[in-house]
Amino acid sequence: GAVVSQHPSRVICKSGTSVKIECRSLDFQATTMFWYRQFPKQSLMLMATSNEGSKATYEQGVEKDKFLINHASLTLSTLTVTSAHPEDSSFYICSARDRGGGGHYGYTFGSGTRLTVV
Amino acid sequence: DQQVKQNSPSLSVQEGRISILNCDYTNSMFDYFLWYKKYPAEGPTFLISISSIKDKNEDGRFTVFLNKSAKHLSLHIVPSQPGDSAVYFCAASASGKSGGSYIPTFGRGTSLIVHP
Repeated sequence: GAVVSQHPSRVICKSGTSVKIECRSLDFQATTMFWYRQFPKQSLMLMATSNEGSKATYEQGVEKDKFLINHASLTLSTLTVTSAHPEDSSFYICSARDRGGGGHYGYTFGSGTRLTVV
Repeated sequence: DQQVKQNSPSLSVQEGRISILNCDYTNSMFDYFLWYKKYPAEGPTFLISISSIKDKNEDGRFTVFLNKSAKHLSLHIVPSQPGDSAVYFCAASASGKSGGSYIPTFGRGTSLIVHP
């Protein structure tokens, strides 16, 4: 089945630094990838939709200059948290939809990244 | 404003018994509903789904019931097994014909613990 690899699984960084999270579709091409954030005891909240070769679409309330998304190829999307602050500490998870898929199906999730900003 | 609500953060069940996880939604545009299962340090994996044109979908030990008038769905696991212990996310999506994007909206999840 479809596999999405997300790295790193856990990262601790100092306040003010930037952190890059990678999301790769291993055995399929993903024209669209999604980035979610989950705070403790909260829902998985969609942050942005990343389309290969074009700018990401951000959800309301998500700062595009703080959460930089790059989807340079059909198998890789990256999320960079710039100038991270403790309030950015959260669980970030990506999802990819198979290029051949559509509709309600075909969302495969990565294993997530636990970001802690100290 | 949460469009998909899972009001029980946790549920504890004895092995062999039935587990019932509940989910409510508010957006009438939703026409497809999904349940995902998540183990620690792993991403959610798709478990079972149901279209709004149905009221029940069964797959082995897992059955999802949909009550559209009440905007409520539930996941039944019978019999429950210790390996079912995980966080279960309810999700809902709206198709293009409903003016939606197909992207699922998630609830907060319910942590199920099945005791041996």
